Amino acid sequence: QVQLQESGPGLVKPSETLSLTCTVSGGSISSYYWSWIRQPAGKGLEWIGRIFSSGSTNYKSSLKSRVTMSVDTSKNQFSLKLVSVTAADTAVYYCARVAITMVWGGFALPFYTMDVWGQGTTVTVSS
Amino acid sequence: DIQMTQSPSSLSAYEGDRATITCRASQNISSYLNWYQQKPGKAPKLLIYAASTLQSEVPSRFSGSGSGTDFTLTISSLQPEDFATYYCQHSYSTLWTFGQGTKVEIK
Repeated sequence: QVQLQESGPGLVKPSETLSLTCTVSGGSISSYYWSWIRQPAGKGLEWIGRIFSSGSTNYKSSLKSRVTMSVDTSKNQFSLKLVSVTAADTAVYYCARVAITMVWGGFALPFYTMDVWGQGTTVTVSS
Repeated sequence: DIQMTQSPSSLSAYEGDRATITCRASQNISSYLNWYQQKPGKAPKLLIYAASTLQSEVPSRFSGSGSGTDFTLTISSLQPEDFATYYCQHSYSTLWTFGQGTKVEIK
């Protein structure tokens, strides 16, 4: 059974870089998309972006200038870097696996879901 | 990016009641709509994908419907473990978005 575990500093200073890693266990990181999602305290979920095991990425438009995701297949890990952080980046950060399910309706269409999630890690931006 | 709007933001209901949550997309997303359940302090859990397909091991009291821009999540008879926050999320394009969430509370 695939499990995900986020790790990284719980406290980051304003204007610095937030760096998190998600370690995948119980399965291979290859041939999957992987996502990062965040949730400020008491608020909703915000999708940050996704990365394929080959390294191709897609980022939320409003965060694109500050976000970089990478993957290390040798370590079965993928990472998130968010530069120039402010208090608004304080949140619980989740990593998730993206599953692709083919649904047949005359012809096969791929549907993407975030089916396995890490437990989340809290990052606070404060001096 | 496509915007997702859920309503209501919260609802209060009794155990055994039927609960209905709606999600509207800012443009046609066909059936590329997922629903998640989140309990306090926990990661979200996938309930429904492709607008109406139940994820494995999700109870049949949950159902989803809709296509295009308007979608519905229905819980036919609320159980104590269903009181949680529910989010819709689209996967139509390469940039995904969640709705703002609907909190289902015990009346």
